[in-house]
Amino acid sequence: EDQVTQSPEALRLQEGESSSLNCSYTVSGLRGLFWYRQDPGKGPEFLFTLYSAGEEKEKERLKATLTKKESFLHITAPKPEDSATYLCAVISSGSARQLTFGSGTQLTVLP
Amino acid sequence: NAGVTQTPKFRVLKTGQSMTLLCAQDMNHEYMYWYRQDPGMGLRLIHYSVGEGTTAKGEVPDGYNVSRLKKQNFLLGLESAAPSQTSVYFCASRGADSYNEKLFFGSGTQLSVL
Repeated sequence: EDQVTQSPEALRLQEGESSSLNCSYTVSGLRGLFWYRQDPGKGPEFLFTLYSAGEEKEKERLKATLTKKESFLHITAPKPEDSATYLCAVISSGSARQLTFGSGTQLTVLP
Repeated sequence: NAGVTQTPKFRVLKTGQSMTLLCAQDMNHEYMYWYRQDPGMGLRLIHYSVGEGTTAKGEVPDGYNVSRLKKQNFLLGLESAAPSQTSVYFCASRGADSYNEKLFFGSGTQLSVL
């Protein structure tokens, strides 16, 4: 059974204070790791897909990295508009193309 | 671009009542999913469909039924609602390309069962 654990559950940062969110996973044959952003009252919105250890992807102030056991979402010089819940999900060779989601990290960036 | 549309957005039911949630997508996606989201538990898969006329159980299927009579629509039914089904429900869809498996989500339905 695939498992995804995200930490911390909540994170408060000052504007400009860089930090990282963690996603630890246990799967049988990783096919992909996904990061989504979810704003209050809305559905999750796709950010990145990572397929293999060592891969990195960037979008504006966000950078996602992947190792064999975990992924990090690095936020550089965040702004208040980066406040959201960030969700991590995995899909494995044994999951019949179903994503398993973590419970998310709620990020608040204070001006 | 409408993407994935869910109706209704909010609903309050009494225990034992029934209802149907509708999900419609205009991206010609093969795969469609119903999730529920509860505080501290993340998104949990209820049922999913890999094409018109097909359905399959996810992680938490009990108390729910689904139908996919048309490719663009995926319906989630609650035959006899229970307070434990109070949650936010999300529909999602994606194409069948194995190298492009990102999900597109609707905006959610907030359901309260009293």
